[in-house]
Order: sequence, then structure tokens, then C-alpha cells
Amino acid sequence: DIVLTQSPDTLSLSPGETATLSCRASQSVSGNLLAWYQQKPGQAPRLLIWGASSRATGIPDRFIGSGSGTDFILIISRLEPEDFAVYYCQQYGDSPRTFGQGTKVEVK
Amino acid sequence: EVLQVESGGDLVQPGGSLRLSCITSGFTFSDHYMDWVRQAPGKGLDWVGRIANRGKSYTTEYAASARGRFSISRDDSANSLYLQMNSLKSEDTAVYFCTRGHSHSDIYAFDIWGQGTMVTVSS
Repeated sequence: DIVLTQSPDTLSLSPGETATLSCRASQSVSGNLLAWYQQKPGQAPRLLIWGASSRATGIPDRFIGSGSGTDFILIISRLEPEDFAVYYCQQYGDSPRTFGQGTKVEVK
Repeated sequence: EVLQVESGGDLVQPGGSLRLSCITSGFTFSDHYMDWVRQAPGKGLDWVGRIANRGKSYTTEYAASARGRFSISRDDSANSLYLQMNSLKSEDTAVYFCTRGHSHSDIYAFDIWGQGTMVTVSS
């Protein structure tokens, strides 16, 4: 199974700042088939990025995904109050589909 | 509007069984692969399994933790997805989400999620 390790576990930032989240895979992710999700307390996850860098419908361009192979990044620029949440990466190129453990972006 | 609504979650004893349902609307259900993903209290996301569309003969695939105990099925005429869970263990306690594949192929991220249904396995 592909293990995804996200870092840091928690990111403490202020609104307006930029968040940089990392997702490292234990082996190369096939076709760079990596997604990012946002989850707020008591809610279902929401798809942000698919295919490592493609934004899902309705996702603002403040969210930027990049990377390939084993190293992927999610950048959230100009943090808005609604961006404080937990973010998960997920690979869907191989079975079983696996998720990272999550990075919590909290208000400093 | 695209909607997915799960139901069937409950408190069940270890070794018991439960059937979850997910009713969808607002899209052509029969075109999409559908998956179940779970989340234990305070923990991360955990893929359970998936079922293909009719074009791929409704093939199913499961995580190792679910294989042999859980069964995924669908009824395209009712726009519904199901998860039959048998021999339940305490570690199956989680919120269970039904999810939709964002493409019509077998390679997809999960673009639509239901609100989840809680399964608690405890004596």
C-alpha cells in the first residue's frame, strides 16, 4: 500500500498569510493521481484538487496544487477565515486508495 | 442540485450486522463508480471499498480491513448505493460516507460526499 505522510501535523497561521502543506508518498504515485480535500468540523470532506494540480469546480484560485512522483504540495495563499480546517491528501492511482493523516490549519 | 444522503447507521453489538444505504439525486448515478469512505471518531479518512458502473460489470474492490466482511452493491434504478457490513468489530466504529467518482472512468477522486452516517460497534 502507498503510505502518504503529511507535514506538518498542525500549521498555525493568521488570516492573510500563506499556508504550505506537504504530502510525501512512500512510492511514486501513478500518473500523479493525487487529490487534496478540505474538512471542517462536523462536515464531509470537500474535493479541492485532483490530478495533483487541477482545481475542482468552484474552488478559488488561492488553492494551488503542485508536485509529482512522491512529493506534492498544497499552497493556500491569502488565508481566509473559512480556510481554517483539516486538509487531507489522497492517492487514487493505485489500490487500495490511501489518505494522508491530515494537516490542521489553525488560527494563530 | 447533486445530493447524496446516507442512512442506516446505528449502535450494534460486536459480531452483528448492519446495512447502510446512500440515496443520490441530481446526476446520472449509473455512469459513476461509487465508494464508501469511513472516519473513526477524531481520526483521518479510511477507504472502505468501491463498486464500478455497469460498463465495468459492477466490479467491487475492498480494503483489506473490509474484505470478506463487507459487501458493496448498487441499484441503478433507485439511484442507490449500499454497504452490507457483517461480523462487525469495535474498530469499525466510524462515520461512513458514500462518495462519487469525479469521472466516468475507473480513475477518479471523490467529488461528491454525503453527510455521513454513524456506526457504533459496542456491547
